[in-house]
Amino acid sequence: DTGVSQDPRHKITKRGQNVTFRCDPISEHNRLYWYRQTLGQGPEFLTYFQNEAQLEKSRLLSDRFSAERPKGSFSTLEIQRTEQGDSAMYLCASSPQQGMAWEQFFGPGTRLTVL
Amino acid sequence: AQRVTQPEKLLSVFKGAPVELKCNYSYSGSPELFWYVQYSRQRLQLLLRHISRESIKGFTADLNKGETSFHLKKPFAQEEDSAMYYCALTPQGGSEKLVFGKGTKLTVNP
Repeated sequence: DTGVSQDPRHKITKRGQNVTFRCDPISEHNRLYWYRQTLGQGPEFLTYFQNEAQLEKSRLLSDRFSAERPKGSFSTLEIQRTEQGDSAMYLCASSPQQGMAWEQFFGPGTRLTVL
Repeated sequence: AQRVTQPEKLLSVFKGAPVELKCNYSYSGSPELFWYVQYSRQRLQLLLRHISRESIKGFTADLNKGETSFHLKKPFAQEEDSAMYYCALTPQGGSEKLVFGKGTKLTVNP
């Protein structure tokens, strides 16, 4: 499968714990995006990278959230001191910088449940 | 502020009937508009974008800048069209964040 992959697919954690999610974009896609989706809502933008540079962060991304893309390939999203309100589907997407740059290819998501 | 509004949370039609999913947007510039679709147990995927002016799976969408709308239409709905549909915009130039509406769940009944 050459699509965007995310790991884990499901995560259950207790309030106050830290969690980390991984996203592997489509090979050679320069841009990588993180979104969060809660029940009954559309995906909400969190942050995006061009190669290893984090170019934009949403105000939704509190200080407890941090994202990295150290080598311009895979990315990680860490949530520290999780809260029940963090329960959501976390989606990753990637797109090429040239050509079909306006199409974002989405991964299957990581569903986080904070107890 | 950028905003996408999909007024219908649920839409149910019979097979063969026309379907229209509404989308209105607010944005001060000239955004790029998209429709994304999520079929059951599948990932979110692009259906169509306004700039390409194409018909995908029989769906079309026309950008009306005067009414700031980008409604999705299909003349004859099929059962396999049942899915969650999201309208989205990105600032002109693309390759930046997508701003999504809340989505419309379309059910096509036999």
